[in-house]
Amino acid sequence: TQLLEQSPQFLSIQEGENLTVYCNSSSVFSSLQWYRQEPGEGPVLLVTVVTGGEVKKLKRLTFQFGDARKDSSLHITAAQPGDTGLYLCAAVTQGGSEKLVFGKGTKLTVNP
Amino acid sequence: NAGVTQTPKFQVLKTGQSMTLQCAQDMNHEYMSWYRQDPGMGLRLIHYSVGAGITDQGEVPNGYNVSRSTTEDFPLRLLSAAPSQTSVYFCASSVGQGRNTIYFGEGSWLTVV
Repeated sequence: TQLLEQSPQFLSIQEGENLTVYCNSSSVFSSLQWYRQEPGEGPVLLVTVVTGGEVKKLKRLTFQFGDARKDSSLHITAAQPGDTGLYLCAAVTQGGSEKLVFGKGTKLTVNP
Repeated sequence: NAGVTQTPKFQVLKTGQSMTLQCAQDMNHEYMSWYRQDPGMGLRLIHYSVGAGITDQGEVPNGYNVSRSTTEDFPLRLLSAAPSQTSVYFCASSVGQGRNTIYFGEGSWLTVV
């Protein structure tokens, strides 16, 4: 059973379009992170959200943590070819050992 | 700015051979971990360490050993390589567990034939 479900799995869009990727779970998380991974490299942290309902913006990227802290979304405005990559969400479950679990990722391709 | 350094970058092994993937970090991080990344599977935790002398199993530990004799180094050993261990391996470090930023190495591509 996958703790974190990311959708869509693949997304191919044209430059200038907007897009949203989702990260969902039935579990409540104490925090959630979004990473971006380019081919041949390791993931790089984009943002950490910790409060239900929290919205963070990073230039053209907007991250939202659900009110119940079970889901999150990443919205990209006016996508550019440089946004191409694998977007991974990762979350820490409440209680327990605070291990980070990753979703399977959304592979985004932005065509010029 | 070395960060997390993994070696080798690429390796081909024959079934049954053993090898060690090296990982070193220069950020004085207590927490280090190893992940494998397979197509359609995301990142899965193999082993992790919360400090020198302390290691624990992650989600997929079978066939792998680790040790943490120093804060800086966290090698991953494949005892008897199997084709199912063909994957990309990432070492990572952070100040602690949970919501802290995880810094990943560049990855090690391992093929077992």
